[in-house]
Amino acid sequence: IAGITQAPTSQILAAGRRMTLRCTQDMRHNAMYWYRQDLGLGLRLIHYSNTAGTTGKGEVPDGYSVSRANTDDFPLTLASAVPSQTSVYFCASSPGASTGELFFGEGSRLTVL
Amino acid sequence: GQNIDQPTEMTATEGAIVQINCTYQTSGFNGLFWYQQHAGEAPTFLSYNVLDGLEEKGRFSSFLSRSKGYSYLLLKELQMKDSASYLCAVRDSNYQLIWGAGTKLIIKP
Repeated sequence: IAGITQAPTSQILAAGRRMTLRCTQDMRHNAMYWYRQDLGLGLRLIHYSNTAGTTGKGEVPDGYSVSRANTDDFPLTLASAVPSQTSVYFCASSPGASTGELFFGEGSRLTVL
Repeated sequence: GQNIDQPTEMTATEGAIVQINCTYQTSGFNGLFWYQQHAGEAPTFLSYNVLDGLEEKGRFSSFLSRSKGYSYLLLKELQMKDSASYLCAVRDSNYQLIWGAGTKLIIKP
């Protein structure tokens, strides 16, 4: 089934540890995004990529990094996790940066202790 | 700054009609989206408006007035499975999506 896959679905992490959330899509979408969702707040964009080989900063990029080596994969790395990064992380993709709706992965629930 | 406002929570009865409002102030406008998100799940696309007027899709309709910075999502013949959060998002002049905090809709029998 075509779609977007995230891993892990859930993780508990000690503060200071490095963590990479994986995201893969098989829809050949050009644009990909990482959001965090916290209770009472809207989805907040962390980083995005309009096409393979390019990335950009969103609303809340500090403490996170991304790479886009190919069309399908868009991993998100927390270099040194802090408790404020406890959240649900959603990866999403769209056909283009300015066209079409976003398709979301199932989310990764991250708890930093 | 950019802002999307939606009610935090609404309650409606099974079989009834409910209207969820969304007002926005953004730098530019390139379309408005409505998403549905069940608890613990990913958001899924419901509707898209870029021109003024009503878009109907089965039991769901979405309305847009760009001059008023206003949209609503209308859900008819409510079913228990419609209990979810409904997210409004606006694509701004940079083609980035600005998201509201969502409206939690509770359906009672």
